[in-house]
Amino acid sequence: GAGVSQSPSNKVTEKGKDVELRCDPISGHTALYWYRQRLGQGLEFLIYFQGNSAPDKSGLPSDRFSAERTGESVSTLTIQRTQQEDSAVYLCASSLVSSGIAKNIQYFGAGTRLSVL
Amino acid sequence: AQSVTQLGSHVSVSEGALVLLRCNYSSSVPPYLFWYVQYPNQGLQLLLKYTSAATLVKGINGFEAEFKKSETSFHLTKPSAHMSDAAEYFCAVSEDYGGSQGNLIFGKGTKLSVKP
Repeated sequence: GAGVSQSPSNKVTEKGKDVELRCDPISGHTALYWYRQRLGQGLEFLIYFQGNSAPDKSGLPSDRFSAERTGESVSTLTIQRTQQEDSAVYLCASSLVSSGIAKNIQYFGAGTRLSVL
Repeated sequence: AQSVTQLGSHVSVSEGALVLLRCNYSSSVPPYLFWYVQYPNQGLQLLLKYTSAATLVKGINGFEAEFKKSETSFHLTKPSAHMSDAAEYFCAVSEDYGGSQGNLIFGKGTKLSVKP
């Protein structure tokens, strides 16, 4: 596609429910990132996928958070047993290659705004 | 660990005035530095990037930033603000220079308001 696509754009859920967020990266981009943006805060890195390598999960805040990506395509971020503090905008980004400056030029989706009641 | 500090969570300027958004970073190796802009309900858009070539970097929409190693700064400027510049601006540094990782470390953002 022309850009990074995320769905849904907004999600309202009840505390304790599971949610699944989807990211379609730019076609051909090997690297995919998930970030969380809480109100009034910068972006926090969550997880990174690069091709078929094992993902870097060092930013995931708890074991309630998980993400999958099949090859170089769609990724899903799952939050189990949601808590109110999970309310945030979840942003996905993709980049073209894994080395040099190009790896750092990340293209972002519009995000999914998650509200946990 | 690398970090980014943006001074001023909110900056207000008049249309036509100079825009100056401050960013300081900490890094033990030469960094890659970025400025992104976020318009309401949109994702982040890359404004400009520093890649260890020229210290003065020109970006889109008339913005530029100067890398000053001695001050560990990468402030964003624009000579004349336009109403359409009203948005939130994020400074970011690359965490792993030259490695396989590339996630960005972001500052908390500065919201720019432009008064008519």
